[in-house]
Order: sequence, then C-alpha cells, then structure tokens
Amino acid sequence: DAKTTQPTSMDCAEGRAANLPCNHSTISGNEYVYWYRQIHSQGPQYIIHGLKNNETNEMASLIITEDRKSSTLILPHATLRDTAVYYCIVRAEQAGTALIFGKGTTLSVSS
Amino acid sequence: DAGVIQSPRHEVTEMGQEVTLRCKPISGHDYLFWYRQTMMRGLELLIYFNNNVPIDDSGMPEDRFSAKMPNASFSTLKIQPSEPRDSAVYFCASSRDRTRFDEQFFGPGTRLTVL
Repeated sequence: DAKTTQPTSMDCAEGRAANLPCNHSTISGNEYVYWYRQIHSQGPQYIIHGLKNNETNEMASLIITEDRKSSTLILPHATLRDTAVYYCIVRAEQAGTALIFGKGTTLSVSS
Repeated sequence: DAGVIQSPRHEVTEMGQEVTLRCKPISGHDYLFWYRQTMMRGLELLIYFNNNVPIDDSGMPEDRFSAKMPNASFSTLKIQPSEPRDSAVYFCASSRDRTRFDEQFFGPGTRLTVL
C-alpha cells in the first residue's frame, strides 16, 4: 500500500466546510483512496473511496487531483459531531489484507 | 439495519481468567474482521473470515487467542488465559463481499481490562 501523509490536526468552525488533505505521491495506478474516521470511543467509520474521479455521497465529497498524488476530503457543513480522527488509506482494491490506519488528522469542530 | 453488534461492551477480569468476546455481523456480509486497538499500537487486524472460514490469522498475537465463526451471524474471540497486556478495545467489523472488502462496518467495540 502507498504511504500517505496527513496533517496532525485541523480546526473548523461549525457550519463551515472542512477540507482535509492527504498526500499520496507514490500511489500506483490500481490503488484506491479510502477515507475513514473514528469518533472518540467509537469504532472506525467508512466514509468514501475513489480511484481517479471525484466522488460524493451523503457524508462527504472526495476530490482527487489529476495526477492522483493528493486528495481532499470535504465535509460541506461540518457539525460538532464531525469531530473525529480522519484516516486516509491508499490500497489496491480487493487487496485482501489488513487496512492500515496511520495517525490520521484530528479534526476539531467548534461552535 | 442494526449494524455490527458486539457484546459485552465492557469487560473487567483478572489475569488468568478466560474472556469471550462476541460479534454479530451485518446480515448478508461475507467478511468478518476482528481488530484490537491500543494507544501504543493503534488499530491492528487480528483475524478475518470469509463465509465463516478463517482466511488470515497472522495478526493473532499468540496461542492464547482463538477465534471462531460457527455460522454467518455469529463469531467469538476468546482469550485464555488473559493477561494485563491484553487490555485494549476489541472491534469487530464486517464487509459485504470481495468487491467491497475495504468498506468495512465496525461495531462499537468491547473495552477489555485485565487486572
């Protein structure tokens, strides 16, 4: 799996968009970008994933650069409940191996 | 959908005792995963099953740990005998099929404390 780099922490005001970056300059052509988050005292939660096209679901949007070396997870209207650690994971689809959760980005949403 | 169900949510036991953690995956999901999370080591995959068959148990720390999946709706993780270093939060997760292997849905976890 390709290595990812994320900022240690970010702050966001409630109601504003939270843009969480991830660098994955060594990503291979068959590797996807996955995002998970873990709210305090809960299990990790799958958010979204993509290969090269931008993706959107009910939780977030994923923007992947054309060269695929970086991506941004966008929470369009952050709420206090979005305060969590966000993990960017790059891996081949159907790898069949363990998901590796690095240190992630701690997002703090405040009112 | 009730999501992944784990029991108990909290377990406190003494060193040497047997501990059994339980998991009910999401109905229709073919894959079941057991993870352990500690501050020192982060989130680690212990074992995963596909259609009730163990596929990769390379993360199981030692013989004191065992996992079973007797049917599609139930799995157990057993520690016998337990040790203080086993204290952690244990998560169970499931995913639908191989094409969605990495879209894993996690349970609330069992917080295990071994005294």
